[in-house]
Amino acid sequence: QVQLQESGPGLVKPSQTLSLTCTVSGGSISSGSYYWSWIRQPAGKGLEWIGRIYTSGSTNYNPSLKSRVTISVDTSKNQFSLKLSSVTAADTAVYYCARVSAVAGTMVYYYYMDVWGKGTTVTVSS
Amino acid sequence: QSVLTQPPSASGTPGQRVTISCSGSSSNIGSNTVNWYQQLPGTAPKLLIYSNNQRPSGVPDRFSGSKSGTSASLAISGLQSEDEADYYCAAWDDSLNGHVVFGGGTKLTVL
Repeated sequence: QVQLQESGPGLVKPSQTLSLTCTVSGGSISSGSYYWSWIRQPAGKGLEWIGRIYTSGSTNYNPSLKSRVTISVDTSKNQFSLKLSSVTAADTAVYYCARVSAVAGTMVYYYYMDVWGKGTTVTVSS
Repeated sequence: QSVLTQPPSASGTPGQRVTISCSGSSSNIGSNTVNWYQQLPGTAPKLLIYSNNQRPSGVPDRFSGSKSGTSASLAISGLQSEDEADYYCAAWDDSLNGHVVFGGGTKLTVL
């Protein structure tokens, strides 16, 4: 059974870069046709999708964060990572990683996040 | 302001049937499938419904989803106290090179 675990600094200073890693266990990150995604949730607020990556390196990002976000994958370590630059207090949130599975439609695929990590809290403060 | 619109709250008594709506547009719900996530207090979201109306293994058949046009609904029948949680709808949006959009979430209270 695939499990995901987020890790990284819990405190980041304003203007610096937030870096998180998601480690995949119980299966290979390269097996199957999965995307791997990051989502965040400020305290008391809703979910915000950050972006996703395929093991080929293909990415999609939230347009509102695109200029500051980089998602990468390291298949040798069975991990994928998030970097968010120039952070402010507004980036304080619980950050989740998730596996993205797909259902085949007519000439398209429809995606859904079926396995989630437990989340890690990141606070942006000096 | 979320791209998908959900009521902020819903409530029901044990045994009742409740529905939660999710409204979008032609670029998201209108042209893609809808997924629903359940978030129990203090925990990570969990996939509840995918592809509009499909339940992952282990999700009780009390939970059902539907979609019509640019709107979707989640129905919970035989409401139980453990269903008290936040519920989020989500869909792919074809605009701006494609991205996932969420609803603002609906807090379900079991009275």
